[in-house]
Parts: sequence; structure tokens; C-alpha cells
Amino acid sequence: DIVLTQSPATLSLSPGERATLSCTASHSVSSYLAWYQHKPGQAPRLLIYDASNRAAGIPAKFSGSGSGTDFTLTITSLEPEDFAVYYCQQRNIWPFTFGPGTKVDIK
Amino acid sequence: QVQLVESGGGVVQPGKSLRLSCAASGFAFRGYAMHWVRQAPGKGLEWLAIIWYDGSNKYYAESVKGRYTISRDNSQNTLYLQMNSLRAEDTAVYYCARDLGTKYLDYWGQGTLVTVSS
Repeated sequence: DIVLTQSPATLSLSPGERATLSCTASHSVSSYLAWYQHKPGQAPRLLIYDASNRAAGIPAKFSGSGSGTDFTLTITSLEPEDFAVYYCQQRNIWPFTFGPGTKVDIK
Repeated sequence: QVQLVESGGGVVQPGKSLRLSCAASGFAFRGYAMHWVRQAPGKGLEWLAIIWYDGSNKYYAESVKGRYTISRDNSQNTLYLQMNSLRAEDTAVYYCARDLGTKYLDYWGQGTLVTVSS
């Protein structure tokens, strides 16, 4: 299975700051990687797919980059509603796998 | 709007079975592949299974292969997950999700909690 590693595990930032989250795959997943936002008690939300494409309705403050094994999710100017757990997911090779998540919390 | 509503969760003893349902509305269910994903307490998301729009193909995570079966009834707009031989480590919130069309999950339900305990 492809193992996804996310860093850091926790990112403590203040509103208005920029968040940079990393996802590293154990083997190349080409550009077949997505990012999801998950808040407690809510359904996860697709943010980015195919490494850099924003899903429908996702604001431009969310951007993704990378290919192969190294990927980044950037959130510019954090707002209160952005504090959540973020997961990456690969769909290049069965079985699909998620990373362990990065929690973005308020500093 | 797209709605996915899971049901069927509850407390079940180890070794027993449970069937989860996911009622879909607001979109052409028969045209989309569907997934099940779970989240154990304090853990991250774990992808479990996918079923093609017509039920012709199914794939599973190794952790549930042979014990879980994904199925669907397109006439009822409903997705199912049959879970057999349940273990304590299967305790989790189970989510159904729609496939974007590219094996990403674009809409998710709110989840249903399954607790495996004696």
C-alpha cells in the first residue's frame, strides 16, 4: 500500500497567517492526490484534487501543488473557519489511502 | 442539493454482523460510484471500499476484505455496507461518500457510529 505521511502533525497559527501543509507519499502517486478539510462532527470536505485543482465552491485561498511524492497545501490568510484537520488522499494505486492528518489550530 | 444520510449504526457484539445504509438524494445516484470511509475514535480517515455506478466492480481495503461487502440498489438510491465478523477495532464513525468521477470523494454524509463491544 502507498503510505502517506503528513507534516507537521499540528500547526498552531493565528488568524491572518499563512498555513503550509505537507504530504509525502512512499511511492510516486503522479498527480493523483487530493486534500480534504474535516471539522469535528461534520462531513469531510473536498478542497483540492489532482494535486492542484480546486473543487467546486472552494475559495482561492486554498491552493495545492506538487507531484510524484511531495505535495503541499497552502492556505493564505487563515480565517476562524479554516481551523480544522486536513487530510491528503491518493487515488493512484489501490487501495486508496489517506494520510494521518494535520491539525491546524489557533495559536 | 446533494444529500447522503447514513443509518444502521449502533452497538454490536464482537463476531456479529451489521448492515449500514446510505440514502442518497439530490443527484442521479445511478450515475456515480460510491465509497465507504471510516474514522476510529481519535484516529484519521480510513478508506474502506468503492463500488462502481452500476455495481459491476468493487474494491476493498485489506483490513475489511472478506468481511465487508459493499452493494447498492439504484432503484432505491441506496448504498449498503454489510459488515460481518466484527471486531473491536472496527469501532468507528462510518461515512458514505460520492465519487467525483475521478476516484476522489466530493460529497460525504454525516456518518453513523458503530461500536463493537461485548
